[in-house]
Amino acid sequence: AQKVTQAQTEISVVEKEDVTLDCVYETRDTTYYLFWYKQPPSGELVFLIRRNSFDEQNEISGRYSWNFQKSTSSFNFTITASQVVDSAVYFCALSEWGGSYIPTFGRGTSLIVHP
Amino acid sequence: EAGVAQSPRYKIIEKRQSVAFWCNPISGHATLYWYQQILGQGPKLLIQFQNNGVVDDSQLPKDRFSAERLKGVDSTLKIQPAKLEDSAVYLCASSFGGGTGETQYFGPGTRLLVL
Repeated sequence: AQKVTQAQTEISVVEKEDVTLDCVYETRDTTYYLFWYKQPPSGELVFLIRRNSFDEQNEISGRYSWNFQKSTSSFNFTITASQVVDSAVYFCALSEWGGSYIPTFGRGTSLIVHP
Repeated sequence: EAGVAQSPRYKIIEKRQSVAFWCNPISGHATLYWYQQILGQGPKLLIQFQNNGVVDDSQLPKDRFSAERLKGVDSTLKIQPAKLEDSAVYLCASSFGGGTGETQYFGPGTRLLVL
């Protein structure tokens, strides 16, 4: 069975603050993939990053960074110097290798960035 | 490159009526997915097609939902008869291949309200 937990339902910050969105996952497989998606008010899910279970290197893309720690089964997402345009719902997802290929999404974290 | 197209964007029907949603994936993408996203939750996979064959439909309520992808390109998802609990956003996504780690690209979704 696989499970993704995003414990933060909603986060509210003021522009230029840094913010971290937590994602904790459960899987019995040793090979799996983790994803982050952004869902702005328009509704379309926008792909942000994909990570496989064998690559624990942290990644930085502009103001976005991701911290993957297998020891704690976490894949956290940090936005540095947040902007109003970052306001959206962010989803973490897990897909297992050799399973049914059904990706499991967390319930999402709503980020509100105030000007 | 054109993204995933969906229509209609919004639909309001009464319970027990039928409704159909259309999806056109990104050109060249072999795999197509239909998700149901209930308000406040993450997307839940309903069905996955690889070309025109069904890979997984284990979470599709087959007594009322049906989907097809006859020519391996466009797809239609139908609900007949609709229930109140079917009110949700129906998201279509596509990926180049069908492996577990494939990145999925999502369309804007169809917002369904069943009265």
